Amino acid sequence: GIQVEQSPPDLILQEGANSTLRCNFSDSVNNLQWFHQNPWGQLINLFYIPSGTKQNGRLSATTVATERYSLLYISSSQTTDSGVYFCAVDGTSGSRLTFGEGTQLTVNP
Amino acid sequence: NAGVTQTPKFQVLKTGQSMTLQCAQDMNHNSMYWYRQDPGMGLRLIYYSASEGTTDKGEVPNGYNVSRLNKREFSLRLESAAPSQTSVYFCASRETNTGELFFGEGSRLTVL
Repeated sequence: GIQVEQSPPDLILQEGANSTLRCNFSDSVNNLQWFHQNPWGQLINLFYIPSGTKQNGRLSATTVATERYSLLYISSSQTTDSGVYFCAVDGTSGSRLTFGEGTQLTVNP
Repeated sequence: NAGVTQTPKFQVLKTGQSMTLQCAQDMNHNSMYWYRQDPGMGLRLIYYSASEGTTDKGEVPNGYNVSRLNKREFSLRLESAAPSQTSVYFCASRETNTGELFFGEGSRLTVL
């Protein structure tokens, strides 16, 4: 099946810093999503982005499908951005999302 | 519009007991999923249902059964719980046109 690798596994920032999280995948995809799992365990949809670029406030994401990667940008980070960020992809042959192992982000005040 | 609703949110079982996790969605989605998440790990797919009346195994189906009761509801059953099934379980449903996945709030299960 499709492989998903996220980097870095852990990231510690000071409030106000910017960061870039990366998701590499091993095959063509129909669907790619970014999720934020907050410290209470809730999984929150950030972006549905199989290709192109989207922005939502301080967050933006870019997927370059031909090169099999996606980037999540967080600008002016806040302590509420802490948590785990997951990338999930769905290959062209299936109907099930495969998750990466996540990036643990800690934003310190 | 509640989205995806899971019950119970917390459960403690003894080894060998059985239980069913319930999941319902009100978004008229065809596909529904059950994932488990273990500490420090990503989500692993247990079972999924691409449409009403169908179910398929995911990565880690052993020890579980599922029922797609109707379009709204997808339940996960542990027939004889084991400590290795201690985990957080997430139900999800998928938007039919875009494929976007939506999660419930999770069910924390502890098997002693």
